[in-house]
Amino acid sequence: DAEITQSPRHKITETGRQVTLACHQTWNHNNMFWYRQDLGHGLRLIHYSYGVQDTNKGEVSDGYSVSRSNTEDLPLTLESAASSQTSVYFCASSREPWEDTQYFGPGTRLTVL
Amino acid sequence: ELKVEQNPLFLSMQEGKNYTIYCNYSTTSDRLYWYRQDPGKSLESLFVLLSNGAVKQEGRLMASLDTKARLSTLHITAAVHDLSATYFCAVVGSDYKLSFGAGTTVTVRA
Repeated sequence: DAEITQSPRHKITETGRQVTLACHQTWNHNNMFWYRQDLGHGLRLIHYSYGVQDTNKGEVSDGYSVSRSNTEDLPLTLESAASSQTSVYFCASSREPWEDTQYFGPGTRLTVL
Repeated sequence: ELKVEQNPLFLSMQEGKNYTIYCNYSTTSDRLYWYRQDPGKSLESLFVLLSNGAVKQEGRLMASLDTKARLSTLHITAAVHDLSATYFCAVVGSDYKLSFGAGTTVTVRA
């Protein structure tokens, strides 16, 4: 069965360190998304990609970057982790970008000390 | 900027009774999603509503979309314990991005 996975599931890091969160999908979807979830804010879009070599900024992109070298993976990098980036991060993918169901990964809980 | 507001944010339901969650949004859109999230889990798609007047039903849940009023409702019929979760609506804005409401946390009590 097709799926979307994230790793690690939990991560504790220190302020200033670079952190990369992995997202891998086997749906063969062109469209992939990264969200963060914070209490009281619902989910907020960080970055998204419509296909290989394509990346776009979302609502809360400062301090984050992504790259898309193949269809299956969209890693999210925190260049210099800050305590404000403590959150739960969800990756999602979809067949059509904004007209189709987005399938979400299990999430990564990141704590920045 | 698209704003999505859900109410109520917390809903305590009695088993067997009917309830409605409201999702209002601030700019024109004809694409709206409802998701369910169990504590500590990921999001599960419930409904995709893609036109004015769209109505979808699955079990005890029914969602509808009124694009003129910029309003979607999620109606719960005869609540049962299994429906305890947080429900999110999400709207596609004119910038073709998905904006989420803050979520409605539902607790069903006997």
